[in-house]
Amino acid sequence: KAGVTQTPRYLIKTRGQQVTLSCSPISGHRSVSWYQQTPGQGLQFLFEYFSETQRNKGNFPGRFSGRQFSNSRSEMNVSTLELGDSALYLCASSLSPVSRTEAFFGQGTRLTVV
Amino acid sequence: AQRVTQPEKLLSVFKGAPVELKCNYSYSGSPELFWYVQYSRQRLQLLLRHISRESIKGFTADLNKGETSFHLKKPFAQEEDSAMYYCALSLYNFNKFYFGSGTKLNVKP
Repeated sequence: KAGVTQTPRYLIKTRGQQVTLSCSPISGHRSVSWYQQTPGQGLQFLFEYFSETQRNKGNFPGRFSGRQFSNSRSEMNVSTLELGDSALYLCASSLSPVSRTEAFFGQGTRLTVV
Repeated sequence: AQRVTQPEKLLSVFKGAPVELKCNYSYSGSPELFWYVQYSRQRLQLLLRHISRESIKGFTADLNKGETSFHLKKPFAQEEDSAMYYCALSLYNFNKFYFGSGTKLNVKP
């Protein structure tokens, strides 16, 4: 079956702009979580969504937001981009938060802010 | 607060040598512990989880609650084991992971 798909794979934006990243989970998976990966901070949790509801949010400013649609696809948005937002953004999908099954990661979206 | 520590950024061993990647965590309850691996140009993927108590690609990891550790071990390293390894902690009822900073394993021929 198809894996977790993230689009676009690469993105270059200018400071002050906003950006929307997309994540399509594995078919049947209803839980999606997002992570920011940087060389300095490593992998940091951004949000978790299940059944269109945000269940958890990491310690990121309000410029970072997300949502999940009825088909479980998820988007994250970053407004007023800063240079420090340059990172690899990963999403992970699983059947549900309580299923204790494996979480599968996408290949990520590489965001560069100039 | 939950925290996962991987003290080694880089670990270099020769092929056939034993390898141990260290992971310590801080959490007062009973978390789930995982090892994820990222091979060059590939996505992050699950290697093993403590509740499975299985060996994957010759790797094993034992949860030591007394020492709050979940070290990854393999008796004989192979060149194809070269990758980035992340230890992660998850709390029940959440699809949310706390990751360590990762250890790059380099297996030399």
